[in-house]
Order: sequence, then C-alpha cells, then structure tokens
Amino acid sequence: EVQLVESGGGLVQPGGSLRLSCAAFGFTFSTYEMSWVRQVPGKGLECVSDISSSGTTMSYADSVKGRFTVSRDNARNSLYLQMNSLRAEDTAVYYCARIGRTSRAPNCWGQGTLVTVSS
Amino acid sequence: DVVMTQSPLSLPVTLGQPASISCRSSQSLVHSDGNTYLNWFQQRPGQSPRRLIYKVSDRDSGVPDRFSGSGSGTDFTLKISRVEAEDVAVYYCMQGTHWPRTFGQGTKVEIK
Repeated sequence: EVQLVESGGGLVQPGGSLRLSCAAFGFTFSTYEMSWVRQVPGKGLECVSDISSSGTTMSYADSVKGRFTVSRDNARNSLYLQMNSLRAEDTAVYYCARIGRTSRAPNCWGQGTLVTVSS
Repeated sequence: DVVMTQSPLSLPVTLGQPASISCRSSQSLVHSDGNTYLNWFQQRPGQSPRRLIYKVSDRDSGVPDRFSGSGSGTDFTLKISRVEAEDVAVYYCMQGTHWPRTFGQGTKVEIK
C-alpha cells in the first residue's frame, strides 16, 4: 500500500527552526518527484516546495524562498523540509505529496503534520 | 503566479441531484507539451486531499464515474451527476502547468 507519513511538526517561536520528515512506503520513492503542500487550518492549499526524483532540482514558492530547504534521501525513502526564520504566517498543516509522473500533480498525500509558530 | 478562481464557494445540493463547480485560470493552462494540467481534489472533513481528476478529464483509480471533468484553456468544470452523502467535502481545482502549482479557493459542497 502506498503511504506517506509526516513527522516533526510542533510549536516553535517566531524566528525559530523546524525540520519536517516524510517517510514513504509501498512505491519506488527514488523515481518520483515529491512536494510539500501546506494548509492553514480552515483555509486553502499552497504548494511550498518541489524536489525532483534525483534530488538535484528544487523549486520554492516565493513566500518561503530563502528560508525553507527541501531535500531527500532516496536510500532511506525519505523527504525533508528544513524551515528556518519561521513566521506566524507559516502556521499550517504541512502535507508531503507524491507527484504523478505524467500528471504534474499530487496523486498521493500524507496525513499532514501541524506546525504552529507562536510566542 | 496563476490565479485560480472557483465558483460558487458554497454549494448546497439535494441528494441525488447534480452539482457543478466552475474553475477559471488567469492564464492558459495549455503546457508547451500540449497537455493541460488541470486537476480536481476532494477534501472531506478532517482528511487529507484526494485527487479525483487529472489533465482536465481523466478520473483517478477508484473515483466513482458520477464525477467528471471538462473544459479547456482557462475555463474548467467539475460535475457530480448525482450527489451522494459521501460527497460532502471541499473541492479544489489546481493547475500544474506553471510553477508554482496553484489551487482555487475551494468550493464547499453540502447537503440541503
């Protein structure tokens, strides 16, 4: 069964850092582009970052560029999001998502992990 | 960024009746490879999003055939032929043609 499991969320102060992890199961992780998508509770969805299957190409939304870094370890079937200089507006549920090979869109989502930035 | 605009934002529907959601993009979603990467997602209360439709009209595996997608260029539609109780959710369109991928605001489908 294809499964994505996020971890690492929690409460952090403004200006602080947090590292999210996503463990992938049930598919050949190294052959898929992966993405982080966030959702402010009760609000809409925002694509935060993408990483190519090899890990050599990364893309970021303007709202996080320079503060967030996406990476992956294909040997460990894991995806990461290093979040620095966190702001209150980064408070959201962060989803790990697998991008379909031919659809350029998420076709599998994790359950999400909540990040709360507050003093 | 490409702005995706959905309407209506709230859609009360009677069980067994059809429902239709519109999605318009601020620029064409036709990719240089000829494909149009417009997707529809369903998010039930308390759950992660689930993709229903990709490339305008292709249904994902396991998606009931009462869901259908159509459209071209900048105008797209998701239709539910006969709404069932399990269809209560927020529906989002999302474009994957241009980076960053962008979502519509969401349409909340509820039962009258």
